[in-house]
Amino acid sequence: EAEVAQSPRYKITEKSQAVAFWCDPISGHATLYWYRQILGQGPELLVQFQDESVVDDSQLPKDRFSAERLKGVDSTLKIQPAELGDSAMYLCASSLNQRNEQFFGPGTRLTVL
Amino acid sequence: QKEVEQDPGPLSVPEGAIVSLNCTYSNSAFQYFMWYRQYSRKGPELLMYTYSSGNKEDGRFTAQVDKSSKYISLFIRDSQPSDSATYLCAKGRTDSWGKLQFGAGTQVVVTP
Repeated sequence: EAEVAQSPRYKITEKSQAVAFWCDPISGHATLYWYRQILGQGPELLVQFQDESVVDDSQLPKDRFSAERLKGVDSTLKIQPAELGDSAMYLCASSLNQRNEQFFGPGTRLTVL
Repeated sequence: QKEVEQDPGPLSVPEGAIVSLNCTYSNSAFQYFMWYRQYSRKGPELLMYTYSSGNKEDGRFTAQVDKSSKYISLFIRDSQPSDSATYLCAKGRTDSWGKLQFGAGTQVVVTP
């Protein structure tokens, strides 16, 4: 069964360091999403891609966060520099298109010390 | 005020009981609604979605939407220990497909 892959699964870093997360969506899925889920809260959309183009990044803290999906397949989310408040689960999801069901990956749990 | 409000629980029920979960939402235009289940240390998985007021059934799960009251519910019949998870309600807008807004999630524990 096709799944969304994410790596690493866990990341511990010190504040002010740079971190990067990788996501490989289900093959053929044109839409890719990055969410942040703080413990005890629901996922919050950070950025939405349609193929290689950003559709919505209104909630992405652009002073420190960046996301790219250069070839319209896999994607990288970067944080530089990391802050204590960035500790959270970072979830990637993909869908055939924007109107279709979103399938979530297992997430990357980030701890910033 | 958050657009989707959900009681975080935890909600503990004995095996075989009916689990009742609720969310309220604001902003009424072009809505569609979803329920996701999230096991510990895993990503959410879609359980049900609905576009209109009324009930929708899928096996042991029933989703209910009352647009006049801005209230959405999920009922789980004959609950099993494997139903123990966090349940997230979410809403989207048909004028901005894919941009979901989630509630905080309700943790459910089904005890044998």
